[in-house]
Amino acid sequence: DGGITQSPKYLFRKEGQNVTLSCEQNLNHDAMYWYRQDPGQGLRLIYYSQIVNDFQKGDIAEGYSVSREKKESFPLTVTSAQKNPTAFYLCASSAGTGRRETQYFGPGTRLLVL
Amino acid sequence: DQQVKQNSPSLSVQEGRISILNCDYTNSMFDYFLWYKKYPAEGPTFLISISSIKDKNEDGRFTVFLNKSAKHLSLHIVPSQPGDSAVYFCAGTNDYKLSFGAGTTVTVRA
Repeated sequence: DGGITQSPKYLFRKEGQNVTLSCEQNLNHDAMYWYRQDPGQGLRLIYYSQIVNDFQKGDIAEGYSVSREKKESFPLTVTSAQKNPTAFYLCASSAGTGRRETQYFGPGTRLLVL
Repeated sequence: DQQVKQNSPSLSVQEGRISILNCDYTNSMFDYFLWYKKYPAEGPTFLISISSIKDKNEDGRFTVFLNKSAKHLSLHIVPSQPGDSAVYFCAGTNDYKLSFGAGTTVTVRA
């Protein structure tokens, strides 16, 4: 079964701690994305990657970092610089980055601050 | 600056009736629009899309209408079924980057 997996489902962060959210896809997609969802708001783009070893900032990249060392993996680190990290984080992938390329989403990770 | 707006946060409809979800956008460069459906604690799933060269696209019970002059699109679900109860997001784009609305929660009553 092809798809996108995200782990963990729930993650707790202590003050000053960095945490990493995992995203893996076996769809052989070139492009991967990270979004954040807050209550009453649409999804906002954090980072995206069009190809291995390359990534670009989205609209709300401050306090986050990513890497793309493998085609199938695009982990997101929420650093201590992100002052309001509590949110639902969604990873997505698409075959390319043309506008008609459908983005497929993972099940999400909910991050909570202790 | 929110470029896509869904002004109705919720919609309640009786099973078998039509659900109409509305979406407005401000970016005149958008030429492709999508609707996603999301269940609680899951990621959104793609539902239907429409290119700006069309004014209607139909897929089974789902039809999307686009009015470019009004910068407005709508999603019609006919007939509504209990499994349609979910949050629906509208998105617009002219490249890789999707701009999402805040979503409309649809509840289908038996």
